[in-house]
Amino acid sequence: DVKVTQSSRYLVKRTGEKVFLECVQDMDHENMFWYRQDPGLGLRLIYFSYDVKMKEKGDIPEGYSVSREKKERFSLILESASTNQTSMYLCASRRGPPGTRNTGELFFGEGSRLTVL
Amino acid sequence: KQEVTQIPAALSVPEGENLVLNCSFTDSAIYNLQWFRQDPGKGLTSLLLIQSSQREQTSGRLNASLDKSSGRSTLYIAASQPGDSATYLCAVILTGGGNKLTFGTGTQLKVEL
Repeated sequence: DVKVTQSSRYLVKRTGEKVFLECVQDMDHENMFWYRQDPGLGLRLIYFSYDVKMKEKGDIPEGYSVSREKKERFSLILESASTNQTSMYLCASRRGPPGTRNTGELFFGEGSRLTVL
Repeated sequence: KQEVTQIPAALSVPEGENLVLNCSFTDSAIYNLQWFRQDPGKGLTSLLLIQSSQREQTSGRLNASLDKSSGRSTLYIAASQPGDSATYLCAVILTGGGNKLTFGTGTQLKVEL
């Protein structure tokens, strides 16, 4: 079974702190994604990566950055956390080149609930 | 812009009932459609993936169909159980949309004893 592991299930941080959310997948997937999920707003794409050191902005990249130094690991970074970044953060991965007919299933991690005080 | 709608937003049924969840999308040029379930406070679990060339997929008590021409997919759950209680989401990838999935609004299902 594909496993996507997010390092922290629950985090509490203070405004202005730098926050790292880590995600590791064990199936050699090319594509990895970071979403945030908020009540009434659904899932929104923050950033995605289709290869090592490659990244593309999603729909709401402001206030976030990402790092993909190894194929299996995709990190989300909040340079200076703010209260409006309190949310559930979901990492996902998928095999296949982007936008091809062989694009596979998307697999999610368990989520990281971040609270910024 | 692709829009994905799921109706109803919430559904409550007695145990044992067969039920259908609906997913509608506005742009029929999709690569695939995927159904997920999400339990409270958890991540999404993949249920079924339907490629654009397929009409349906089955896994256990679940059957998902896809009609691209009408912009619809349905998830059929047979003999529902209390453990099926969760939020169900569908998501589509557009042809030419690269890596981006568009998620539906979700249907919150409660199966009662």
